[in-house]
Amino acid sequence: DAGVIQSPRHEVTEMGQEVTLRCKPISGHNSLFWYRQTMMRGLELLIYFNNNVPIDDSGMPEDRFSAKMPNASFSTLKIQPSEPRDSAVYFCASSLAGTQYFGPGTRLLVL
Amino acid sequence: AQTVTQSQPEMSVQEAETVTLSCTYDTSESNYYLFWYKQPPSRQMILVIRQEAYKQQNATENRFSVNFQKAAKSFSLKISDSQLGDTAMYFCAFMKPNTGNQFYFGTGTSLTVIP
Repeated sequence: DAGVIQSPRHEVTEMGQEVTLRCKPISGHNSLFWYRQTMMRGLELLIYFNNNVPIDDSGMPEDRFSAKMPNASFSTLKIQPSEPRDSAVYFCASSLAGTQYFGPGTRLLVL
Repeated sequence: AQTVTQSQPEMSVQEAETVTLSCTYDTSESNYYLFWYKQPPSRQMILVIRQEAYKQQNATENRFSVNFQKAAKSFSLKISDSQLGDTAMYFCAFMKPNTGNQFYFGTGTSLTVIP
């Protein structure tokens, strides 16, 4: 089992650019979560899906952020336009029976 | 809303010694799950241990064990025979079933194992 796969692992971009983060959950898992981690705010839940349907997106900071899960094996988190305050580590996690398994994270730096 | 509190922002322990990390939570639910995750400098979030609230027996995983006190809403993690590789941030998490498996995380405890 490859675990949760995230890409890219590192992303450096300039303010105003579009950023797309990708996640492949563990096969068979029916829940997927996107988190953001910063020193200031710690670990924040942005959005989560059950069976590909968004359940709670109240953690999405603003309209610049959007997430999709077109099928059970793929999800994206998009930031458009990006801002320096979006710099953080973004984690994707998936679960089936409660326990969440995290991907390695994407370290995003917006200049 | 559920809240999870980790009151020790930083801790240190001598190698081979035992250390206990504290976690308390607030809920009105009777059925739930509790977790400890470890985040080493690599930033990878790694599951350490899981406890189901309906189980009275404390969970153990090798050198890691918990002291689950349901009435007190306390869920501490004990690390025995601490190793340098245990140096990490440790997060306590609460999950209520049938809510989409959403987790509520504490703010973390940074543990340093001193050689």
